[in-house]
Amino acid sequence: DVVMTQSPLSLPVTLGQPASISCRSSQSLVHSDGNTYLNWFQQRPGQSPRRLIYKVSNRDSGVPDRFSGSGSGTDFTLKISRVEAEDVGVYYCMQGTHWPLTFGGGTKVEIK
Amino acid sequence: QVQLVQSGAEVKKPGASVKVSCKASGYTFTSYGISWVRQAPGQGLEWMGWISAYNGNTNYAQKLQGRVTMTTDTSTSTAYMELRSLRSDDTAVYYCGAGRGLPDYWGQGTLVTVSS
Repeated sequence: DVVMTQSPLSLPVTLGQPASISCRSSQSLVHSDGNTYLNWFQQRPGQSPRRLIYKVSNRDSGVPDRFSGSGSGTDFTLKISRVEAEDVGVYYCMQGTHWPLTFGGGTKVEIK
Repeated sequence: QVQLVQSGAEVKKPGASVKVSCKASGYTFTSYGISWVRQAPGQGLEWMGWISAYNGNTNYAQKLQGRVTMTTDTSTSTAYMELRSLRSDDTAVYYCGAGRGLPDYWGQGTLVTVSS
């Protein structure tokens, strides 16, 4: 199985400051069709997960442009340019290139 | 807009079975598959498996093989996840998610509590 390793586990951030979450996979996430199936999800307290980014860097409709995704191969990053109070929650990366699908362990973003 | 509405909370005894439903609307049901993901209290997300709503093909997590069955009813645009021989560590919120592979859209979650 592809192991997804996120860091850090916890990320205290000052409002208005940037935040960055790393996600590394144990093998390349480039699919034979040329796509890289790496998504980012946000889970606010008490809510269902919500997709923010798909295929590494494509922002979903309605997602603020302060969120951006980047990376390739086995190394991926989610960045928040200026953290707002509503960004508090746990962020997960997930790969869909190889069966079984696997999640990272999550990164908890909190306000300092 | 895509909506996934799941069935209500369940309380089960160890050894029993549970069947959770996920009714889809806002898209052509057979265009996406349905993933099932669970989250134990205070823990992260665990992928349980995926079913194609188009042809019923399934892919299950190894650790649940033999205990889980995922099905769909295209006439009602509903997906089902049945988990048998429940144990206390199956206590979790169970989510369905629609997508071609990865879950793009999520249901509201169903809490399943396993307790004697």
